[in-house]
Amino acid sequence: DTEVTQTPKHLVMGMTNKKSLKCEQHMGHRAMYWYKQKAKKPPELMFVYSYEKLSINESVPSRFSPECPNSSLLNLHLHALQPEDSALYLCASSQFPNRGDEQYFGPGTRLTVT
Amino acid sequence: GEDVEQSLFLSVREGDSSVINCTYTDSSSTYLYWYKQEPGAGLQLLTYIFSNMDMKQDQRLTVLLNKKDKHLSLRIADTQTGDSAIYFCAVINNAGNMLTFGGGTRLMVKP
Repeated sequence: DTEVTQTPKHLVMGMTNKKSLKCEQHMGHRAMYWYKQKAKKPPELMFVYSYEKLSINESVPSRFSPECPNSSLLNLHLHALQPEDSALYLCASSQFPNRGDEQYFGPGTRLTVT
Repeated sequence: GEDVEQSLFLSVREGDSSVINCTYTDSSSTYLYWYKQEPGAGLQLLTYIFSNMDMKQDQRLTVLLNKKDKHLSLRIADTQTGDSAIYFCAVINNAGNMLTFGGGTRLMVKP
């Protein structure tokens, strides 16, 4: 089973709202990732978690706050977003960090900021 | 940083072979990947190749790697309408923790 699940599938939020995106995997993977994908563009890396610790933050604005409560779960907390943050947010996981292991992606959360 | 380039669009007839090309700049990349993305969906890992290999075959998929020219290709044999999607090549960095994606090639398969 190489499944990564993400909830919700779609999210519409106002600029003053606080919301969270959730990602889950039960493959025992120890590296998890958040990507942002704008329409007709490739995914762009936002954050990497290695063994539940944040290891890479690609200069993401503080209105995006990641959290890894345990080895199976990854959250992305959203606050005071801008309309330009509207995108598909993808979660991925790989078996071990820093080894080039293949990354398995979830279906994404389509976020619209109004 | 790493730069990964792909052509934007490819159109083929059903039953023909499709060849999607990719070039990259970092010769130290160890793993190179191909992902498929259908409209509104996440990325599906299709296949990957290790940098010490020249070729990898997996059912209808053949990956060719020319490390000297930093050129990667994905051949899909007997292309079907269900293969219509965007195909991304991706290259892992030397530290093994960051994927860089090409811009994606939109494959259109005509019946």
